[in-house]
Amino acid sequence: GAGVSQTPSNKVTEKGKYVELRCDPISGHTALYWYRQSLGQGPEFLIYFQGTGAADDSGLPNDRFFAVRPEGSVSTLKIQRTERGDSAVYLCASSPPGLAYNEQFFGPGTRLTVL
Amino acid sequence: QQPVQSPQAVILREGEDAVINCSSSKALYSVHWYRQKHGEAPVFLMILLKGGEQKGHEKISASFNEKKQQSSLYLTASQLSYSGTYFCGIGGSNYKLTFGKGTLLTVNP
Repeated sequence: GAGVSQTPSNKVTEKGKYVELRCDPISGHTALYWYRQSLGQGPEFLIYFQGTGAADDSGLPNDRFFAVRPEGSVSTLKIQRTERGDSAVYLCASSPPGLAYNEQFFGPGTRLTVL
Repeated sequence: QQPVQSPQAVILREGEDAVINCSSSKALYSVHWYRQKHGEAPVFLMILLKGGEQKGHEKISASFNEKKQQSSLYLTASQLSYSGTYFCGIGGSNYKLTFGKGTLLTVNP
């Protein structure tokens, strides 16, 4: 079956611009996660959704970052007034319903470059 | 807090064994191991839950020592396809995972 998909695969923007990154999880997966991965680092947790609601957004670095999942499926990560330090690969992952310790299935990521 | 992985990098010849360690300063509920090849998404290897469980997947196995708050990943008779960066992710009492910086494994012919 189809895995987690993310669009766009690459995004180049200018400092100060607004960007949206999209994640389409595996069908039936209720849990959705956003991570940010910088070069040479492990994925850094940003936000976790259970259904439509953000169950944990403690990893969002500041109020320029916001994520939604209005229908409990597709999610959009929104970054306002982008800064060069926002450049990274943004990964999305999803998990099936059930245990808190379920495997997370990762998407291929969106590489964001802020010039 | 971020778990500490060691070594940072290891180079093997095909057929050799390796051990990757993951240590945490806080209590562990679960440890997740992933492998990521350059430019690709992390791929799930296994989950270990607290209780000193050991799991295996073909020639890759792992242990979880709750008392020492650490996990080890064992790769035996390594294959070229094992090359990549290995990450451990530690889970607390919720769904959130905190990943280490990774261990770069290179397997040469």
